[in-house]
Amino acid sequence: QSVLTQPPSASGTPGQRVTISCSGSSSNIESYYVYWYQQLPGTAPKLLIYKNNQRPSGVPDRFSGSSSGTSASLAISGLRSEDEGDYYCASWDDSLSGWVFGGGTKLTVL
Amino acid sequence: QVQLVESGGGVVQPGRSLRLSCAASGFTFSGYAMHWVRQAPGKGLEWVAGISYDGSNKYYADSVKGRSTISRDNSKNTLYLQMSSLRTEDTAVYYCARGGEDSRSGIDYWGQGTLATVSS
Repeated sequence: QSVLTQPPSASGTPGQRVTISCSGSSSNIESYYVYWYQQLPGTAPKLLIYKNNQRPSGVPDRFSGSSSGTSASLAISGLRSEDEGDYYCASWDDSLSGWVFGGGTKLTVL
Repeated sequence: QVQLVESGGGVVQPGRSLRLSCAASGFTFSGYAMHWVRQAPGKGLEWVAGISYDGSNKYYADSVKGRSTISRDNSKNTLYLQMSSLRTEDTAVYYCARGGEDSRSGIDYWGQGTLATVSS
C-alpha cells in the first residue's frame, strides 16, 4: 500500500484532456513539493513536473501540475499516443524521513 | 549532459550481499544529494535510500533499514548501495537518481537501472 494514492488506470482518446490525482497527507503533499514522473514502456522514469507545477525544459506545455492541501494532480491536454505509459507522483514525507511515491497510474490512449 | 550508469546487479542467493555502484558524470557530483529507487518486476517505484551531497546525512526506507548502507565517494563521482541479508522481495531494477541541493529536493535525473535478482 503506497503512502500516496493514485488511481491505477486512466484513459482518453487522442486530443482529449486527462487528469491524474495523487492523494497524500499533512506530512507529505501538504508540506512539501510534489514531483511527477513519466515512465514509458521499457524505459527509466523521466521527470515531468517539479515543485508542484514547474516543467523542465523539453517537456511540452500539454503537461501541467497543481497541488492544494493534501492532494495534487497532473493534467495532460491534447492527448497523444506517445503519452501511453505509467505516471508517478512523489513527495518528501516528514513522518517517514524519506521519499514516497504513488502506486502509479497506467495511462492508455484509446 | 547528466549521465548516471549503474552496475553491480546480478543473481544472488537469499541471505547474501550485493554492492551496487553508480558512476556519475556531466555535473558537479559533490553538489547534489543522490538516491536509490527500485522497481520490482511489474510493480511501481519504491524509494530505497538517499544521501546528502557531502554524505553526512543518510535516509532509508523501512523495507531496507538495518540491511543496507548508502555511501558516496565524491572524489570518484560514484554512489554506492551495499545490501545484505537479501530477500527474494529485494528482486528489482535499482535506479540511481540525482536529487537536489538537499535530500528533500526531488529527483531530476535517473540512470537506466541495474537488475538485482535474489533467488536460490
